[in-house]
Amino acid sequence: NAGVTQTPKFRVLKTGQSMTLLCAQDMNHEYMYWYRQDPGMGLRLIHYSVGEGTTAKGEVPDGYNVSRLKKQNFLLGLESAAPSQTSVYFCASSYLGRAGEAFFGQGTRLTVV
Amino acid sequence: AQKVTQAQTEISVVEKEDVTLDCVYETRDTTYYLFWYKQPPSGELVFLIRRNSFDEQNEISGRYSWNFQKSTSSFNFTITASQVVDSAVYFCALIAGGGADGLTFGKGTHLIIQP
Repeated sequence: NAGVTQTPKFRVLKTGQSMTLLCAQDMNHEYMYWYRQDPGMGLRLIHYSVGEGTTAKGEVPDGYNVSRLKKQNFLLGLESAAPSQTSVYFCASSYLGRAGEAFFGQGTRLTVV
Repeated sequence: AQKVTQAQTEISVVEKEDVTLDCVYETRDTTYYLFWYKQPPSGELVFLIRRNSFDEQNEISGRYSWNFQKSTSSFNFTITASQVVDSAVYFCALIAGGGADGLTFGKGTHLIIQP
């Protein structure tokens, strides 16, 4: 049972490049989330989805886009990476009836140079 | 808007000591849920506990215990007889209302247990 899987685990980008982070969950969870973690800042919500085909902005959505074409996948895109997007990105999912009791992926460490 | 404050940035204790991690929250919703997550040095986030706003009973799970007090908007976490394996960053978090719009996290407390 894989739980929540993030791809890739590490990536270095040059300023202006684009990339997509993939999150896949095999627990049939309705809710999915993308957070970023920066030193001393805790985790901050970027975007979230309450079901297939739906997405919404979180606390820090600027510079990111997301899509949830399939219930099990939640993609996070950076169209033009900036050094300020250097961070560790976590995907999470949770069951409709247990919001907040989230299962997290292993994280993606992204460096933008 | 919700807010979670963990005033202790870092705590260092010697193994076998008891330690309490503080968490203070703010929300205007009457229905909310509080959480603690653990992030060990390996980096993953591990769910520890979920408590709803209508249940102020303290909870104990082995060496872990949680004290929820609505009167002071606090949800503190105590580790009894700490062990080196408890070394981690601990996050307190909040979800309010329906809960679909994600967790609001505190900034975390880095707990160091020295042997």
